[in-house]
Amino acid sequence: EADIYQTPRYLVIGTGKKITLECSQTMGHDKMYWYQQDPGMELHLIHYSYGVNSTEKGDLSSESTVSRIRTEHFPLTLESARPSHTSQYLCASSEYRTEGAAGANVLTFGAGSRLTVL
Amino acid sequence: DQQVKQNSPSLSVQEGRISILNCDYTNSMFDYFLWYKKYPAEGPTFLISISSIKDKNEDGRFTVFLNKSAKHLSLHIVPSQPGDSAVYFCAASQPGRRALTFGSGTRLQVQP
Repeated sequence: EADIYQTPRYLVIGTGKKITLECSQTMGHDKMYWYQQDPGMELHLIHYSYGVNSTEKGDLSSESTVSRIRTEHFPLTLESARPSHTSQYLCASSEYRTEGAAGANVLTFGAGSRLTVL
Repeated sequence: DQQVKQNSPSLSVQEGRISILNCDYTNSMFDYFLWYKKYPAEGPTFLISISSIKDKNEDGRFTVFLNKSAKHLSLHIVPSQPGDSAVYFCAASQPGRRALTFGSGTRLQVQP
């Protein structure tokens, strides 16, 4: 059973269209993320949120934008889709786990949204 | 520059044998390491982790080994099962960083 939900799972759309990828989590996590992944490649962080009304760009430059008006909701928007935006977009939230002095944000991912722009 | 490297894009093993997936990292600030498993058309799921204060962590059939001097970690799956066939991602965390740094994944195929 998923605690983080992404819609749509698959989207094929024409160039120039505006799209919004939805992401919701029921775990009450403050931190949420958007990663982008192409086949055979690593996951790249494109957006990050510490909490409501707090968002930052990730390591990989992206033309997409995000908003965080509610804790549970973190949608991603592309104002004008292009073929170069074709990719899988993975939303995640995290809880912090520690062991000794070390720790990490352990991510829980949604099932992903696979976007194809023609 | 890729800080977490999984140099084997794919691995095939027989059911019942050991699967060993490898991961190398270059950033000495990483102090916590995780493995994720990803089936097609699904998001990655957390599998097992290890902090830098340990050199081994075991959870059922899965064991992760960390060699800090070599900046190398490995995931051992014993015995391998066909349901283990998936892409495995190595990830690392460092203090003060927002998010995990991922490798490019290794596709494991377990043959019945």
